[in-house]
Amino acid sequence: AQSVTQLDSQVPVFEEAPVELRCNYSSSVSVYLFWYVQYPNQGLQLLLKYLSGSTLVKGINGFEAEFNKSQTSFHLRKPSVHISDTAEYFCAVRPLQGAQKLVFGQGTRLTINP
Amino acid sequence: EPEVTQTPSHQVTQMGQEVILRCVPISNHLYFYWYRQILGQKVEFLVSFYNNEISEKSEIFDDQFSVERPDGSNFTLKIRSTKLEDSAMYFCASKPTGAPNEKLFFGSGTQLSVL
Repeated sequence: AQSVTQLDSQVPVFEEAPVELRCNYSSSVSVYLFWYVQYPNQGLQLLLKYLSGSTLVKGINGFEAEFNKSQTSFHLRKPSVHISDTAEYFCAVRPLQGAQKLVFGQGTRLTINP
Repeated sequence: EPEVTQTPSHQVTQMGQEVILRCVPISNHLYFYWYRQILGQKVEFLVSFYNNEISEKSEIFDDQFSVERPDGSNFTLKIRSTKLEDSAMYFCASKPTGAPNEKLFFGSGTQLSVL
């Protein structure tokens, strides 16, 4: 079985500041890793995913994430945030084989203050 | 980009009533899912559906729940006798193939409130 922990339920940041949203996972098998974003009144959208290869993954809207296998982490970063980045961010994993379901973390609400 | 559409956006019902949540997946997609998020909790998998049958379901998806693809375009989630603890945001999702590395396309959700 898999589990995902997002260590921060809320992260307030000033505009143009850097941000890191933390995600740790546990799994007995290899997994794919995802970050989804939910803007107000919208569905979840894929931000980026790690499948294999380079551990630094770049996504949409200037976000990137780094896969660290030894620490079982997949933290999301952005060097300079905008007001429009205000949203809920979800880390998720899915096994390479077998069960097709995504296992999500609790979500982190990112609030950008002017 | 094509979208998954869910209706209604909000639904209020009395405990014990039946509700049907509706979803229109992206037209060429073959795999369909329901997830839900109780306020303040994780997004949880409910069920996956392929080739007109359930391919996987969670412990949450008990006999009170059912899914159907009645007409080749809609994908519905029915809760037969709602309970207070069914109050949640319900998300429909779809993807074109079964590849595990493929992204899911989510709808904007139906907020179900059971009173």
